[in-house]
Amino acid sequence: EAAVTQSPRSKVAVTGGKVTLSCHQTNNHDYMYWYRQDTGHGLRLIHYSYVADSTEKGDIPDGYKASRPSQENFSLILELASLSQTAVYFCASRGQNTGQLYFGEGSKLTVL
Amino acid sequence: GDSVTQTEGLVTLTEGLPVMLNCTYQSTYSPFLFWYVQHLNEAPKLLLKSFTDNKRPEHQGFHATLHKSSSSFHLQKSSAQLSDSALYYCALSLITGNTGKLIFGLGTTLQVQP
Repeated sequence: EAAVTQSPRSKVAVTGGKVTLSCHQTNNHDYMYWYRQDTGHGLRLIHYSYVADSTEKGDIPDGYKASRPSQENFSLILELASLSQTAVYFCASRGQNTGQLYFGEGSKLTVL
Repeated sequence: GDSVTQTEGLVTLTEGLPVMLNCTYQSTYSPFLFWYVQHLNEAPKLLLKSFTDNKRPEHQGFHATLHKSSSSFHLQKSSAQLSDSALYYCALSLITGNTGKLIFGLGTTLQVQP
């Protein structure tokens, strides 16, 4: 079974603070993704990466940065957290020749 | 651009009745279509994936048929169970090209009542 783990699972941050969400996969997958989930908006792609040391902007990248230091690790960084970034964040990985995503268990972020 | 449309935000039905969740898509290429299911407080996980040879995928009593003529991939089940209550996402994958993106619809919440 493919394994994607996220940390922290839950976090409360203050407005203007820095938040880092981490993701680790043991699937040997090339592709990794960060999605944001909000009621009424479904899953929206923030950033993704298909190789270490390279990241790509997704559909809603503003206010977020991403880092892929190795094939296994992919981080999402909020330099100045805002109230509107309160959401559940999912990391996912997928292999080269398959469309199937394997999701982590999610990180619930609350910005106060 | 490429997109996925799920017209129903919420579907409520009685246990034992048939289920049909709608999914239509727009794509320049011939994409793969997926259904993901997310139970409360869990991660989304794959339910079904379209085949390239037009076989009908089935899993846990659910099935979906890719109709390229109508750009649809509706999810169906003959008899709903209480445990089917969840959030269902239809998604589209563009394997061609190097974007690697999976595009999701807004999701349909299925509530099955006794």
